[in-house]
Amino acid sequence: DQQVKQNSPSLSVQEGRISILNCDYTNSMFDYFLWYKKYPAEGPTFLISISSIKDKNEDGRFTVFLNKSAKHLSLHIVPSQPGDSAVYFCAAPGFGNQFYFGTGTSLTVIP
Amino acid sequence: ETGVTQSPTHLIKTRGQQVTLRCSSQSGHNTVSWYQQALGQGPQFIFQYYREEENGRGNFPPRFSGLQFPNYSSELNVNALELDDSALYLCASSFGTQRRYADEQFFGPGTRLTVL
Repeated sequence: DQQVKQNSPSLSVQEGRISILNCDYTNSMFDYFLWYKKYPAEGPTFLISISSIKDKNEDGRFTVFLNKSAKHLSLHIVPSQPGDSAVYFCAAPGFGNQFYFGTGTSLTVIP
Repeated sequence: ETGVTQSPTHLIKTRGQQVTLRCSSQSGHNTVSWYQQALGQGPQFIFQYYREEENGRGNFPPRFSGLQFPNYSSELNVNALELDDSALYLCASSFGTQRRYADEQFFGPGTRLTVL
């Protein structure tokens, strides 16, 4: 019963280029989505969110796009920097105050 | 303002034992959620505590239980440990339980539990 899926376990990108991380979901009832970033030995930190009434939200170098018909969201990082190397999780709130997280995509930005 | 802290950092137990993990929430926060992150997986919601009451539970058996104290710190207890319980346990604190506050959820660094 996987609600949120990230099908790419890893991604490598050259510094300065665009990083695109993808996430698919199964439940159309989700009304917003979040991206978290996690460094080793640290807890996840909130990065950016998007409400289901929008199709795009931008915060500096980070932009999240939502395609409701495809049940798909993506996180764009432009330009990518070595400090962006981390594991990225997409998440969505479900019933009973719980959150569903994807399995994560490990991003490596090569200097 | 202190962030979310968890103790211990690492823990090794044997199958059948019991374990207690602790979490201190961020100052001003009254809600704590616990997650289990197995290797290669995303965090899975265990349960949430709001003002000392359980306020939502994921698909985990009753041997996973918790407490929240008047100062809003929290404990996660796991009885009859199984090998599959080996994971990183994360707690996250927030203020309130409204979903619109969800992006204000702050995670601790986690406790790495190994069950042998």
